[in-house]
Amino acid sequence: QSVLTQPPSVSGAPGQRVTISCTGSSSNIGADYDVHWYQQLPGTAPKVLIYGNSNRPSGVPDRFSGSKSGTSASLAITGLQAEDEADYYCQSYDFSLSGSVVFGGGTTVTVL
Amino acid sequence: QVQLQESGSGLIKPSQTLSLTCSVSGDSFSSGGYLWGWIRQPPGKALEWIGYISHTGNTYYNPALQSRVSISVGRSKNQFSLQLTSVTATDTAIYYCASANSIVTTVPYFDSWGQGTLVSVSS
Repeated sequence: QSVLTQPPSVSGAPGQRVTISCTGSSSNIGADYDVHWYQQLPGTAPKVLIYGNSNRPSGVPDRFSGSKSGTSASLAITGLQAEDEADYYCQSYDFSLSGSVVFGGGTTVTVL
Repeated sequence: QVQLQESGSGLIKPSQTLSLTCSVSGDSFSSGGYLWGWIRQPPGKALEWIGYISHTGNTYYNPALQSRVSISVGRSKNQFSLQLTSVTATDTAIYYCASANSIVTTVPYFDSWGQGTLVSVSS
């Protein structure tokens, strides 16, 4: 059970907007630690999609955006495309229990 | 962008020690601002951070694995290694090595990943 909670799945039609939440607590996101997001296509290694809450690495389409507020963060995908079908993970740091990098449980995005 | 490649034993028996090496391309291994890490993913499950090491040898481990984990800089330049002792079936996973960028964020993020290697623990 991860300390960062994500919905197991979200779905949307092509062209729609979907959001993935990452809910933490005062010992991680709420402690002002940055949140990062990764996309994992089937059978491949994860790839960073958003770093530092809202920054896109070069090459990541601007359809992907990130935000953070309080003890939660969100990833939004606008103009959903078939190639966006993947698993998405949030990542941050938790200072309780001696401190650790933590990942969310992952969210599977399905394009209907 | 840096490239990483994992190598090591793919099948080990319970109670044995898992050993993997990550080879890093280019000259970035000795650059400041980066940590070199291991992450694993059991089949069908979420990612789990194992730990990371700086090029100077400072290590940071997942508290849940700390008693069994050791990450070290390899004998060869641009390599780092993972050892996990007393393995059980629950350690079966894809193991990834990755570079962690700690330059501009409060928490390092993994900006380059190896392709991953499946390690199975079975008698």
